[in-house]
Amino acid sequence: DTEVTQTPKHLVMGMTNKKSLKCEQHMGHRAMYWYKQKAKKPPELMFVYSYEKLSINESVPSRFSPECPNSSLLNLHLHALQPEDSALYLCASSQDFPGGGNEQFFGPGTRLTVL
Amino acid sequence: AQSVSQHNHHVILSEAASLELGCNYSYGGTVNLFWYVQYPGQHLQLLLKYFSGDPLVKGIKGFEAEFIKSKFSFNLRKPSVQWSDTAEYFCAVFRGSNYQLIWGAGTKLIIKP
Repeated sequence: DTEVTQTPKHLVMGMTNKKSLKCEQHMGHRAMYWYKQKAKKPPELMFVYSYEKLSINESVPSRFSPECPNSSLLNLHLHALQPEDSALYLCASSQDFPGGGNEQFFGPGTRLTVL
Repeated sequence: AQSVSQHNHHVILSEAASLELGCNYSYGGTVNLFWYVQYPGQHLQLLLKYFSGDPLVKGIKGFEAEFIKSKFSFNLRKPSVQWSDTAEYFCAVFRGSNYQLIWGAGTKLIIKP
C-alpha cells in the first residue's frame, strides 16, 4: 500500500470555526509532512514530524496546530483561520527524515475554503 | 538567493512532439534532485529522482532527466509526449544543510491532441 489518505476532500469553514484535517499512511514511514499549496504554485512546507515528534515548524501561525497521535496518523487542527488561508493542504510521508531527501508520497489533499 | 528555477511556466506541445523542461538550482555541494508531476485533479507523484551515480536517470511513463553538475541543471525529457502527459511538473532539490525540499515554481504542460 503506497497510499496516503486525507480527509475530508473539501472543507468550508467560517473564521470562527474549529476544524481538523486528517492524514493517514500505512507504509511504515516515520516522517510525515504538512504542506500548503495555493493555485498554480508549488507546495509550501508547514510542518515536519519525525518519529512522532515535531522537527520543523516553518513559522506557521498558531491558528494551525499539528498533532501526530501515532506513526500512521497526522492531524492539522484549524482555528480562527483567515480567508487567505484558503488553499489545498497536502499531507506527505517519507521513510524517514531527513534521510538524504527520501521520496515523499503525497496524499490527494484537502481543499479548504475559509469564508 | 538560493533557489530552484524552472524556466518555462507554460509549455504547449502537440502529441508526439519531444519535450524538454528546464530546471536549474543555485546550491553548491551535494544535492538530491527530484521531478514530481501533478495531473489534473490528482495528487503529486514522483516521476524520477537523482541521488548519485549515472547522471541520466529514467523514471516512470517514459520520462528521463539528466543531471549536469557543471551547469547546476536537471532537465526533464520525453522523446514523444502524449495527451495524457498534460499536467503540472515540479522540479525539487533537497539540501542536507537545511533538511528541506526546495521546489521550483512549476511548469504547466498542455498537450494538444
